[in-house]
Amino acid sequence: DAGVIQSPRHEVTEMGQEVTLRCKPISGHNSLFWYRQTMMRGLELLIYFNNNVPIDDSGMPEDRFSAKMPNASFSTLKIQPSEPRDSAVYFCASSPRLAGVPYEQYFGPGTRLTVT
Amino acid sequence: EDQVTQSPEALRLQEGESSSLNCSYTVSGLRGLFWYRQDPGKGPEFLFTLYSAGEEKEKERLKATLTKKESFLHITAPKPEDSATYLCAVQARNNDMRFGAGTRLTVKP
Repeated sequence: DAGVIQSPRHEVTEMGQEVTLRCKPISGHNSLFWYRQTMMRGLELLIYFNNNVPIDDSGMPEDRFSAKMPNASFSTLKIQPSEPRDSAVYFCASSPRLAGVPYEQYFGPGTRLTVT
Repeated sequence: EDQVTQSPEALRLQEGESSSLNCSYTVSGLRGLFWYRQDPGKGPEFLFTLYSAGEEKEKERLKATLTKKESFLHITAPKPEDSATYLCAVQARNNDMRFGAGTRLTVKP
């Protein structure tokens, strides 16, 4: 299995631009998670989906952030407009279990976002 | 509020020098405690899930244990390839998943 795939691996953009991060979870997994990691705040859960349905988006920092999962093999995280404080590494993870039972997660390699 | 505190922040060991990493937690109803390993520039890699106090899990040189307030990751006779950041995460009854800040382990040959 190829594992969780994320693209792009690196993104540099200017403040005010729209940014879209993409994720392909492991085939057959039932839940998908988006995280943000910074030195100051560590790893923070932004949103998660069970069977393609958003369950909890309470970690999404602002309305500028949105996430979709149109099917079982694809998800996007969009930031519009982007700001310098959004600079971080964004991880996508998937789990064979539904979030709601103890669930181990399998993380992608991350997208390093820099907003200038 | 749910909290996860890992100590120490950083640990330097000589190859073969055994030690333990600590994860202290306060959570409203523990569903599971997880250990992950993260190498620089990569995503966290799942190691263990612990469900209840008294449980232990082992994998190669690593052993994870759990009490009602903390978990330990014991590393026996570590090798340089065990160098990484080790993250602890707790899943609460409301399914919130909270990660600790991690312990950065360096094992010198």
